[in-house]
Amino acid sequence: GENVEQHPSTLSVQEGDSAVIKCTYSDSASNYFPWYKQELGKRPQLIIDIRSNVGEKKDQRIAVTLNKTAKHFSLHITETQPEDSAVYFCAASSPRGYNKLIFGAGTRLAVHP
Amino acid sequence: NAGVTQTPKFQVLKTGQSMTLQCAQDMNHEYMSWYRQDPGMGLRLIHYSVGAGITDQGEVPNGYNVSRSTTEDFPLRLLSAAPSQTSVYFCASGGRGKYEQYFGPGTRLTVT
Repeated sequence: GENVEQHPSTLSVQEGDSAVIKCTYSDSASNYFPWYKQELGKRPQLIIDIRSNVGEKKDQRIAVTLNKTAKHFSLHITETQPEDSAVYFCAASSPRGYNKLIFGAGTRLAVHP
Repeated sequence: NAGVTQTPKFQVLKTGQSMTLQCAQDMNHEYMSWYRQDPGMGLRLIHYSVGAGITDQGEVPNGYNVSRSTTEDFPLRLLSAAPSQTSVYFCASGGRGKYEQYFGPGTRLTVT
């Protein structure tokens, strides 16, 4: 069945360091891969996404890379700041459902000053 | 635009009670969905709809019903609440042909 695995489940870094979160997906027909950030008690917010015809996308301090052959994609945050502390979710589109997304279990990122 | 709205924000139910979680969006989005969020399990899809009158099941549909009589509204009904349904529920919507989904603020449900 459709599945997205996300690692690590928790990540602790010092302010200014880089953070990397990795996801693998099971269905090679998936073609859209978003990342959501969820602060404590808030709703998930889309922070960056990538489509299968692109290998990398950047937006200021965040970037996402996609390896279609290996069926994995990663979120990279550089120069981390305390306000980056949150839970991050990756997702992959399901080819079997219009707009349907399958989410990973989440990574809790803590950035220490 | 208010975006995606959900009511109530918090709810406590007793086992066996029924209730409806409300979700509305004002962005004329065709796609709407309901997720539940439990610690360590991410967001799991309960039901979704690709337009008025069309609904389908997600990963964890048991114990929940939905209907979509208008583009704007997508209520989630719990028929007979169970403690296993204690969770945070998020509604989301997305536009036609676009994968981006926008989430509502969530409803925290406790079943005792």
